[in-house]
Amino acid sequence: TQLLEQSPQFLSIQEGENLTVYCNSSSVFSSLQWYRQEPGEGPVLLVTVVTGGEVKKLKRLTFQFGDARKDSSLHITAAQPGDTGLYLCAGDLGSGYALNFGKGTSLLVTP
Amino acid sequence: DTAVSQTPKYLVTQMGNDKSIKCEQNLGHDTMYWYKQDSKKFLKIMFSYNNKELIINETVPNRFSPKSPDKAHLNLHINSLELGDSAVYFCASSQDGTENQPQHFGDGTRLSIL
Repeated sequence: TQLLEQSPQFLSIQEGENLTVYCNSSSVFSSLQWYRQEPGEGPVLLVTVVTGGEVKKLKRLTFQFGDARKDSSLHITAAQPGDTGLYLCAGDLGSGYALNFGKGTSLLVTP
Repeated sequence: DTAVSQTPKYLVTQMGNDKSIKCEQNLGHDTMYWYKQDSKKFLKIMFSYNNKELIINETVPNRFSPKSPDKAHLNLHINSLELGDSAVYFCASSQDGTENQPQHFGDGTRLSIL
């Protein structure tokens, strides 16, 4: 069962553009985590959002957790080639022992 | 120092063989995981262990047998490999099994079945 629907699946943009990635579910999560994965490496945590409505910023990346804790978004301002990678959202249903991952958004930023 | 290390990085073998993947974490974490990432990059939990004890087995075929000799190690043995087992397998760890814990991933083992 796919709990988290992530969109878009692929995104190819030019340097300087803005973009938003969405992560949606009908389930309520105790937290949503965002990871970034580069080729040949494992996912690396970017941020964890815990409180409904929470907004966190990481340089040009802005993460938001929906008020009902069922969805989240990642907004990148003025994308750079170094932002290229696979972005994964992952929800914790409260047990902590398993993360439910979305299918990922593969982002390509060209100069 | 690598926090979560898994070996080998690449594993190419024939259908029907048995193989093992090793994982070690030096973070002092209590909880370790195995995930499978398919060709479409979907990452799915296979097992989670807490202090050497199995917590989650997500309907994985019993050809897959994890073993945790101590809480710093979680190895994965696979019997009678099938074509569908081709994937990248990731080991991960977290401080413990409480909610909202970040997970630290190894760099993956790419398994290719010929």
